[in-house]
Amino acid sequence: AQSVTQLGSHVSVSEGALVLLRCNYSSSVPPYLFWYVQYPNQGLQLLLKYTSAATLVKGINGFEAEFKKSETSFHLTKPSAHMSDAAEYFCAVSRGGSYIPTFGRGTSLIVHP
Amino acid sequence: NAGVTQTPKFQVLKTGQSMTLQCAQDMNHEYMSWYRQDPGMGLRLIHYSVGAGITDQGEVPNGYNVSRSTTEDFPLRLLSAAPSQTSVYFCASSYSVEGADTQYFGPGTRLTVL
Repeated sequence: AQSVTQLGSHVSVSEGALVLLRCNYSSSVPPYLFWYVQYPNQGLQLLLKYTSAATLVKGINGFEAEFKKSETSFHLTKPSAHMSDAAEYFCAVSRGGSYIPTFGRGTSLIVHP
Repeated sequence: NAGVTQTPKFQVLKTGQSMTLQCAQDMNHEYMSWYRQDPGMGLRLIHYSVGAGITDQGEVPNGYNVSRSTTEDFPLRLLSAAPSQTSVYFCASSYSVEGADTQYFGPGTRLTVL
């Protein structure tokens, strides 16, 4: 079984501030982990993914995430928020042999000028 | 490549009507799926397919049918629309059935059932 929990349905930051979106997973086997972003009125697109190579994963638009097995976490960070980062962010987990990813409920990132 | 395309973008139905949401991909992807997105609920899997002629149920399959006669197309049928099916529907595909593969999403269909 696999599941993912995103802490906080909404996160509000000021432009230029650190962005931290939290994701904790549960998986009985080594997981694959993903962050997707959804801009208003669009489909989801991949930001980054962890597939058991480097634990620090860099994605598009300056985002990165660190896989921490001891904490079962895969938090998403960006050093400096930009207005264009305002969107819905989804964490997802899957595993080898299970091609069906499980998505979290999403976190809405609000960026204030 | 057009990627994953969905039609229509918007649809309004009356209770009891039926309709088909179209999904097509031109990337020769093996795996395709349908999700519905509701506020506070994230994405919930309706049906999925691991190849032409093979489909299976996801988390919330009731009221929906699918078929996959070709690799490219994966339509979703609403048999008798209900207000509870008001949602945004997303189709997704991935290259293989390997769990590490990226999911590619269509732009969505916003459905309202009156």
